[in-house]
Parts: sequence; C-alpha cells; structure tokens
Amino acid sequence: KAGVTQTPRYLIKTRGQQVTLSCSPISGHRSVSWYQQTPGQGLQFLFEYFSETQRNKGNFPGRFSGRQFSNSRSEMNVSTLELGDSALYLCASSPGLGETQYFGPGTRLLVL
Amino acid sequence: GENVEQHPSTLSVQEGDSAVIKCTYSDSASNYFPWYKQELGKRPQLIIDIRSNVGEKKDQRIAVTLNKTAKHFSLHITETQPEDSAVYFCAAISNSNSGYALNFGKGTSLLVTP
Repeated sequence: KAGVTQTPRYLIKTRGQQVTLSCSPISGHRSVSWYQQTPGQGLQFLFEYFSETQRNKGNFPGRFSGRQFSNSRSEMNVSTLELGDSALYLCASSPGLGETQYFGPGTRLLVL
Repeated sequence: GENVEQHPSTLSVQEGDSAVIKCTYSDSASNYFPWYKQELGKRPQLIIDIRSNVGEKKDQRIAVTLNKTAKHFSLHITETQPEDSAVYFCAAISNSNSGYALNFGKGTSLLVTP
C-alpha cells in the first residue's frame, strides 16, 4: 500500500497570511491526526479526524483548524500566520481511533 | 490530559553496547504505548509498540517493557549499530470524553559511535 502523503512538502509564507496543508492517508485508513513538530516542543497533537468529524483537539489557538473529506483525505488550515508557527507539520493515519498511527513525510512551513 | 516524560534527552553509546530510554506517563487509563524512530529529515517511523495487557515485547534487537503500576515503559536496544543513531520518541495514548490523543515525549537523541 502507498504510505501517507502530504502536500506541499515545503512552504514559505509571511506573517498574517494563511496556509492550507493536505494529507492523504493510507488506503483504508479512516482516522487522520495532525501534529506540529518544533525543536523546542517536540511533537504536539493538533487534532484528530475520523469519519469527517473532529474527534479531539489539542491546545492550539482557533487559528488552527482542519477538516476531513469523505475519502478520508484531510486538510489543515492556519490563519493569520505568526513567526512561531514555523514548524514541521506531520499528519498520521490509522485504521481507526486509538490504533497504530503511520506518519507522512511532513510539510515544512517557514513563516517570515 | 496525558503527560509523557522521556529520559534521557541525549544518549551516546559505543557500537555494540545497549541503549535504554525510559518514559513515564500520568494517565492510568492509557493503554497503548508506541515507540517511533526519526532519522534526520525523515518522518517518524513506528519501531515497536506495546499494549497494556502485556509486560514485555521483543523484536530482534529491540524490546519494550511496561510497568503499569509504576506507569513507566522503556525501550531497550541491544548490540547497537551506527544506523540506530536517530531521535526516538515514546508516546502514550489517552482516551478522554473528547476522544483519543497520542501524547509524545520530547524525544531522545541517540548517537552510536563506531
């Protein structure tokens, strides 16, 4: 099976802009989770989607949002970008909630 | 929410030695504990996982132990090789009324020197 894919792989934005990242899960996986990875904070949970519904959310401001489509593909959006949003954004898919997660290659976002 | 502490943050061993990384968690309801290996510039890769109904699991040179009473779990790598050099993350899954969340430790940077 093809692994988890994410697009774009690299992105440069300026403060105040918004960005949309995309994640395609492993075929048959219905759950997609998003994480922010920074050198200082490690891997931090953003949210998880299952059957097009957000099932859980981490401690991030409302500028971070996401959605999931009927084919399980997911997008996350960050509005009004701040310098501190520069990070590697990883998505992970799993067959269902609470199951083993497999990561995509990530989208590296740089906010200038 | 779940809090996962991981130690040490850096670990340097000589090739052939063993490496041990330890994690503690706070939520007694956590029941799934995966370990991920992340090489520089690459995605985290699952290397082994354990569920709370077992105390130990082994896969070739890698083993994980779980002590539910003490709420800690450890990764053991024997006969280390230079290609084991990477950042290792432990994680614990918590299940609350708001859903599941995989909470990660801050990672251990392992360096295996020839």
